[in-house]
Amino acid sequence: TQLLEQSPQFLSIQEGENLTVYCNSSSVFSSLQWYRQEPGEGPVLLVTVVTGGEVKKLKRLTFQFGDARKDSSLHITAAQPGDTGLYLCAGKGYSGAGSYQLTFGKGTKLSVIP
Amino acid sequence: DSGVTQTPKHLITATGQRVTLRCSPRSGDLSVYWYQQSLDQGLQFLIQYYNGEERAKGNILERFSAQQFPDLHSELNLSSLELGDSALYFCASSDTGSGNTIYFGEGSWLTVV
Repeated sequence: TQLLEQSPQFLSIQEGENLTVYCNSSSVFSSLQWYRQEPGEGPVLLVTVVTGGEVKKLKRLTFQFGDARKDSSLHITAAQPGDTGLYLCAGKGYSGAGSYQLTFGKGTKLSVIP
Repeated sequence: DSGVTQTPKHLITATGQRVTLRCSPRSGDLSVYWYQQSLDQGLQFLIQYYNGEERAKGNILERFSAQQFPDLHSELNLSSLELGDSALYFCASSDTGSGNTIYFGEGSWLTVV
């Protein structure tokens, strides 16, 4: 079973601060995705990283895939209250019979205080 | 709006009962996934269907079953419900079976009392 550990579990910061959340595994993934989930809604895909060492930027969010494709980080610069939510990482791995499966971490719950 | 529709949004039922959760995927998507989200376990993959056939199975209990119909909508049946089955159940869909980009519905909140 492929497991993804996310840290920290909870993070409460002031508006304007920077933060990094981490997603670690002992397994190699073909790709890794980051989602944001707001209360009462389903997770929404933010980014997919595929290549080891890949860095992708989405406005104030920077995503990095580890060289060995086992871990990833999400860095938010100058956090805004609108960034509040549950951030989930999900690793895509081959599950056999031509099928791929997404394994989700438990998430980092971020609160940005105005 | 992801285009994935789930009903009902909220459901309260007693232990031992059976419920059916319904999902309509995005237009044109052939693959449907079911996930369970609880506070302690996070988002757990249950099962995937592709064009009417079961494609992958995750941590789905024997008391749970699912199917995908010819019109591609899907149902998740939960029977002999226990208190621990209380959770948010998500359906997601993608255009292919490889799940490069999956779109989640808003979920069905199930409370077992």
